[in-house]
Amino acid sequence: DTEVTQTPKHLVMGMTNKKSLKCEQHMGHRAMYWYKQKAKKPPELMFVYSYEKLSINESVPSRFSPECPNSSLLNLHLHALQPEDSALYLCASSQEDRAREPQHFGDGTRLSIL
Amino acid sequence: AQSVTQPDIHITVSEGASLELRCNYSYGATPYLFWYVQSPGQGLQLLLKYFSGDTLVQGIKGFEAEFKRSQSSFNLRKPSVHWSDAAEYFCAVGLSNSGYALNFGKGTSLLVTP
Repeated sequence: DTEVTQTPKHLVMGMTNKKSLKCEQHMGHRAMYWYKQKAKKPPELMFVYSYEKLSINESVPSRFSPECPNSSLLNLHLHALQPEDSALYLCASSQEDRAREPQHFGDGTRLSIL
Repeated sequence: AQSVTQPDIHITVSEGASLELRCNYSYGATPYLFWYVQSPGQGLQLLLKYFSGDTLVQGIKGFEAEFKRSQSSFNLRKPSVHWSDAAEYFCAVGLSNSGYALNFGKGTSLLVTP
């Protein structure tokens, strides 16, 4: 069992749909991350939130919109996605936004765009 | 630029045999080093981490890693592999004095044969 919970586990959506991915942690961590992982590849960083403020946006298209409602929750809002956006989306958290802090990952949401 | 190299894309070992997965980093100072494991359909699980001090680090599931500054390496080892160890293994470096980034290697896929 992981301490970072992601829902849903699987999501299939059309290119015109709007959906949201959710991530929750109760470890008191103040940094949270979204990663995108394609098959047989390492995770690629998308966004970093530190103390509920967006600190890093790795040039992600605007069809991905992150939100951090509080220190335990992280959302990723999806709109008008493309087939190439199909991937495993991983959420992670760490004590703080520092390189020495190990990141704890959820099991991810497997996203398929039709 | 800081980078992490995992020279082996695939490794096959027999159950009960010893294992060594290679990781080399390119970084001017002592980096923060991590090994993660990812089983199919799951997120990344932290096996162990190195910051400073003893160069031999013990992790979970019987894994250990040795930091060798002279070789810029942080190889992962296990004396006796179990079938359940079959997974993707990622080495990652956190950049000191910098926030957010985990720089992942491309991963090594471990196959365990009976």
